[in-house]
Amino acid sequence: QQQVRQSPQSLTVWEGETAILNCSYENSAFDYFPWYQQFPGEGPALLISILSVSNKKEDGRFTIFFNKREKKLSLHIADSQPGDSATYFCAASAWDTGYQNFYFGKGTSLTVIP
Amino acid sequence: EAGVTQSPRYAVLQEGQAVSFWCDPISGHDTLYWYQQPRDQGPQLLVYFRDEAVIDNSQLPSDRFSAVRPKGTNSTLKIQSAKQGDTATYLCASSFGTGGTEVFFGKGTRLTVV
Repeated sequence: QQQVRQSPQSLTVWEGETAILNCSYENSAFDYFPWYQQFPGEGPALLISILSVSNKKEDGRFTIFFNKREKKLSLHIADSQPGDSATYFCAASAWDTGYQNFYFGKGTSLTVIP
Repeated sequence: EAGVTQSPRYAVLQEGQAVSFWCDPISGHDTLYWYQQPRDQGPQLLVYFRDEAVIDNSQLPSDRFSAVRPKGTNSTLKIQSAKQGDTATYLCASSFGTGGTEVFFGKGTRLTVV
């Protein structure tokens, strides 16, 4: 059973637009949600993260919106740049694992057209 | 500061052959993870260590996969008799402590089993 689901599988936006990447999860015990960015041939790198006590987290052009009741979150990338073209993974973990057992979604491949 | 280092970067095997992957985590990081990332999928946790102790290996196919971290620093992941279904990128990651600290990934070893 896929614990974390992402949509869409792929997304194409024009430079300057806002890209919206969606994520949902099954396990109510999950309370820490990092988003990772991965370029081809590289390992994933932490982009931004949120704890379930918050409903919004901003870091520059990147914003996470979190809805605990619906078990959904989304990553908004404002003013998208061609350099943002990458695969984005939503992950989830729980306090009772010490936040060390992460479940990843299948990823959203983002392409930003200049 | 050096990141997580993995070798080799690529490996091509015939079914039934054995292979070992090596990981050097970031200095001082006590927690080390091995993930399997099939093509176009998110990383899936295989095993993780805190220092030299295995904390969770429940997702490691124990009949053919093994992982060690004897001195709590470097680690080796071994596949005894590779199958085509093992074709994936194997990612090593490390972190310090618990509580949602950042996990740093290496670039991975891309394994192809023919």
